[in-house]
Amino acid sequence: DAGVTQSPTHLIKTRGQQVTLRCSPKSGHDTVSWYQQALGQGPQFIFQYYEEEERQRGNFPDRFSGHQFPNYSSELNVNALLLGDSALYLCASSLRQGSYNSPLHFGNGTRLTVT
Amino acid sequence: GQNIDQPTEMTATEGAIVQINCTYQTSGFNGLFWYQQHAGEAPTFLSYNVLDGLEEKGRFSSFLSRSKGYSYLLLKELQMKDSASYLCAVRSYSGGYNKLIFGAGTRLAVHP
Repeated sequence: DAGVTQSPTHLIKTRGQQVTLRCSPKSGHDTVSWYQQALGQGPQFIFQYYEEEERQRGNFPDRFSGHQFPNYSSELNVNALLLGDSALYLCASSLRQGSYNSPLHFGNGTRLTVT
Repeated sequence: GQNIDQPTEMTATEGAIVQINCTYQTSGFNGLFWYQQHAGEAPTFLSYNVLDGLEEKGRFSSFLSRSKGYSYLLLKELQMKDSASYLCAVRSYSGGYNKLIFGAGTRLAVHP
């Protein structure tokens, strides 16, 4: 049973560039959430996708956008990269209609460095 | 708004017991989770509370008081491998959907 997979593992970009990160949810999960985790901080909620639509969004600018595909996989796009966007980007999946104590399952993340 | 507070760092001795506290203020409270995160790795689920009281799971227990906006994670018989960050996360329900809001994490160092 495959867990949450993310690609790439590491990425180095230059300020002003654009980046796309990818995520495949755990088998059977239909909801994908994206988080940004700066060094020494907890994960910050970016947005959540269900049925190919953004359902909830955190306090992130419009430079951060996403997409969910019919197979439930998801992409996170960040435009006009800033140095402050350097972080670990975590994808987490869950089942929207799961049991009340269904936890999020996290991927190993993509480490983005902006220079 | 949403606010979750937990201590930044804690140290403990192998074999001992440690309690990591978490206080929260949030709208649409729909449960509290604890995650463990080793450096460079993904967070992994430890425990969940939605009703007041204690949930025990092997060496780990978690407590919740909704009226006080308070939770703690209790780790018993500490092992060196328990050195990690422990993340308190509140599930917030809004508009038909849940989202998980994390605290900054508590870095626990276990010494021999």
